[in-house]
Amino acid sequence: GAGVSQTPSNKVTEKGKYVELRCDPISGHTALYWYRQSLGQGPEFLIYFQGTGAADDSGLPNDRFFAVRPEGSVSTLKIQRTERGDSAVYLCASRSRGANTGELFFGEGSRLTVL
Amino acid sequence: GENVEQHPSTLSVQEGDSAVIKCTYSDSASNYFPWYKQELGKRPQLIIDIRSNVGEKKDQRIAVTLNKTAKHFSLHITETQPEDSAVYFCAASGGAQKLVFGQGTRLTINP
Repeated sequence: GAGVSQTPSNKVTEKGKYVELRCDPISGHTALYWYRQSLGQGPEFLIYFQGTGAADDSGLPNDRFFAVRPEGSVSTLKIQRTERGDSAVYLCASRSRGANTGELFFGEGSRLTVL
Repeated sequence: GENVEQHPSTLSVQEGDSAVIKCTYSDSASNYFPWYKQELGKRPQLIIDIRSNVGEKKDQRIAVTLNKTAKHFSLHITETQPEDSAVYFCAASGGAQKLVFGQGTRLTINP
């Protein structure tokens, strides 16, 4: 596609449930990032993939959060036993390895609400 | 790890005046400093960036300055227009490629 695509755009779930958020990056972009943005805050780094491997997962808040990118393209962020504090917009971004700048191209985000 | 502080959190200026947003960073190894603009309900989009081997960069009404010694960088918008109203984020990254964002500045341009 032309841009980074994220699904679902909105997800409402109950506390304790399992959630998957999907990101389809720009074709050919090798780097993929997940960020979390709470209302009125800047994007908070979660994890960064270079190809299939997680190059830096230092931002994942705890072991309830996990992300995969098995074929080096689409990525899934998985949240187990969701808590109300997980409510936020989850942003995915991709970047071309050969780009002259480090520009990240963001998706529209997945808004997660945990009731 | 890197920590980025951004000020002010809100800024209101008259149309046609200039706006300045400032950021400081903690990691002296950081070498890439982009600025993103986020309109309400939209995705963040890059508006300008600067690398550590350059002190200033300009693109039409937007400019960014970098002081590596003091570890701070600033965004300058001249001749502000209503469409400049948005939230602006600074960010910093080093060789690790992890981009750390500031808390954001909500800029309002008053007609």
